[in-house]
Amino acid sequence: DAGITQSPRHKVTETGTPVTLRCHQTENHRYMYWYRQDPGHGLRLIHYSYGVKDTDKGEVSDGYSVSRSKTEDFLLTLESATSSQTSVYFCAISVQSSLNTIYFGEGSWLTVV
Amino acid sequence: DQQVKQNSPSLSVQEGRISILNCDYTNSMFDYFLWYKKYPAEGPTFLISISSIKDKNEDGRFTVFLNKSAKHLSLHIVPSQPGDSAVYFCAARLSGNTPLVFGKGTRLSVIA
Repeated sequence: DAGITQSPRHKVTETGTPVTLRCHQTENHRYMYWYRQDPGHGLRLIHYSYGVKDTDKGEVSDGYSVSRSKTEDFLLTLESATSSQTSVYFCAISVQSSLNTIYFGEGSWLTVV
Repeated sequence: DQQVKQNSPSLSVQEGRISILNCDYTNSMFDYFLWYKKYPAEGPTFLISISSIKDKNEDGRFTVFLNKSAKHLSLHIVPSQPGDSAVYFCAARLSGNTPLVFGKGTRLSVIA
């Protein structure tokens, strides 16, 4: 158990609406990541954070923004959801004591209709 | 351009036999490689890793081999069990806390 909680776990939303996914960690790890998983694409990095207010873009960042105002929370926002953002979203943390191995949360299933 | 490639989308193996999952990479600067296992409706779970300074790492039934000259790594599972049926992702990292780059995954089915 990496101490990661994602919320909501499941959500159905309409096209054009904003959506925020939350990732909460309990162990003060500095690095946090958001990935999405899609059939045929594996896991692709959306954004990541290397500290409070420090974030950077990943491979598929268009249409997404992130914020990290506290060490324990990393928020992923879809400003205006589109059907192409229907996916499973995984938050992850890097555990320095484990050679910076990345551990994942349980996922958030998002459907945009 | 895909930096980490898993060219076999699926693999079927009989229980008790060896499963070999393969992964190729293009960036010679990768210094750390990992394998993750994923069951449906769950997050990926870390399985085993290997540093670029090693060519083999073993953990119970799981062994990862790294061939740097060929830019190839493989995961061996011996003996395979039905509970090993999952999607396996290969991942690589440049250094430190740089984000992992994942392959597309290989679905392993272990048949009893």
